[in-house]
Amino acid sequence: NAGVMQNPRHLVRRRGQEARLRCSPMKGHSHVYWYRQLPEEGLKFMVYLQKENIIDESGMPKERFSAEFPKEGPSILRIQQVVRGDSAAYFCASSPLLAGGTDTQYFGPGTRLTVL
Amino acid sequence: ELKVEQNPLFLSMQEGKNYTIYCNYSTTSDRLYWYRQDPGKSLESLFVLLSNGAVKQEGRLMASLDTKARLSTLHITAAVHDLSATYFCAVDTKTGNQFYFGTGTSLTVIP
Repeated sequence: NAGVMQNPRHLVRRRGQEARLRCSPMKGHSHVYWYRQLPEEGLKFMVYLQKENIIDESGMPKERFSAEFPKEGPSILRIQQVVRGDSAAYFCASSPLLAGGTDTQYFGPGTRLTVL
Repeated sequence: ELKVEQNPLFLSMQEGKNYTIYCNYSTTSDRLYWYRQDPGKSLESLFVLLSNGAVKQEGRLMASLDTKARLSTLHITAAVHDLSATYFCAVDTKTGNQFYFGTGTSLTVIP
């Protein structure tokens, strides 16, 4: 059973370009979470999605950031017009249970975004 | 907003010694998680603590939860070099939509 998969693992963009980060949850998991980790810091929640629905986007900046989890295919975190402050590691996690369940979240390897 | 604080932030300890990492959180939560992260890697789940008084052990690591004190501890017994990593605690909200992570404890075990 493959774990959570993310690609690309490393992404370099110039200021003003778009970044697209992909996440495939573990088999059987229908809940996806995106987190951002700045150097030397813990992970900060961005958004929680189920298939075709955004459940909680309270941690995601209102401008330039968007996320989706279509019926088919991976979840996508999209950052438009990237700035240097967007440089970070972006982790995706998945879980099988409904919100309020007791299951842990399983994390992918992360995408390390560098904005030049 | 729920706050999760860990201390110490940095810990350098000799092989064979014991030490405890503390995780305090600011609001009611019955579920606490410990993760390990190696440099440049993802997070590996270590423990899930689901109720007051829960204690779990795996090898040289033991985690406990006191929901009344809003405190979890991660105890390291007879440290070995392989335990060098950053350890994060995380709690989730009642609705379980997101995890709130602590700042992490960077552990270095020296010979």
